[in-house]
Amino acid sequence: DAEITQSPRHKITETGRQVTLACHQTWNHNNMFWYRQDLGHGLRLIHYSYGVQDTNKGEVSDGYSVSRSNTEDLPLTLESAASSQTSVYFCASSESLAGEKLFFGSGTQLSVL
Amino acid sequence: LAKTTQPISMDSYEGQEVNITCSHNNIATNDYITWYQQFPSQGPRFIIQGYKTKVTNEVASLFIPADRKSSTLSLPRVSLSDTAVYYCLVGGNSGGYQKVTFGTGTKLQVIP
Repeated sequence: DAEITQSPRHKITETGRQVTLACHQTWNHNNMFWYRQDLGHGLRLIHYSYGVQDTNKGEVSDGYSVSRSNTEDLPLTLESAASSQTSVYFCASSESLAGEKLFFGSGTQLSVL
Repeated sequence: LAKTTQPISMDSYEGQEVNITCSHNNIATNDYITWYQQFPSQGPRFIIQGYKTKVTNEVASLFIPADRKSSTLSLPRVSLSDTAVYYCLVGGNSGGYQKVTFGTGTKLQVIP
């Protein structure tokens, strides 16, 4: 069955380190998204991509970057981790732009100490 | 962006029907209304989507009045396993997903 997987499930890092979170989907979806979830804020969009070589900034993109070299993967990089980036990160994908449903991964719990 | 407002939390007994209402006063003409369910330590899961009137699937029903400024998710005969956070989303068709916003959701607690 098609799926979307994130790794690692849990990550602890130190302030200032570069961290990359992986997201891999086998749906063959063009659209992929990264969200962060914090108490009191729901899910907030970090970056998104509508296809290979396409990346766009979302609502809370400062301090994050993504790259899309193939259809299946959209890694999220924290250039210099900060304590404010401690959060749960979710990757999602969708088939089209026309309000199609999002398929989410199980999330990565990131702690920046 | 079409902002949504939902109750923060709700309690319900097992076997009852639960209705969660979402307000979205500035919904755009081409926007869909989508509901997601999220269990602890999991990503949100699509439940139902609609544009107007009523939509029903094997999990829930979605009621949308003519003015589309609100919507109601109806869960029939809830069980303990329906305890989760439910998100109402508006958008997706008006320029893509960068305009879809998740609110803080409604935390539903089902009581035995």
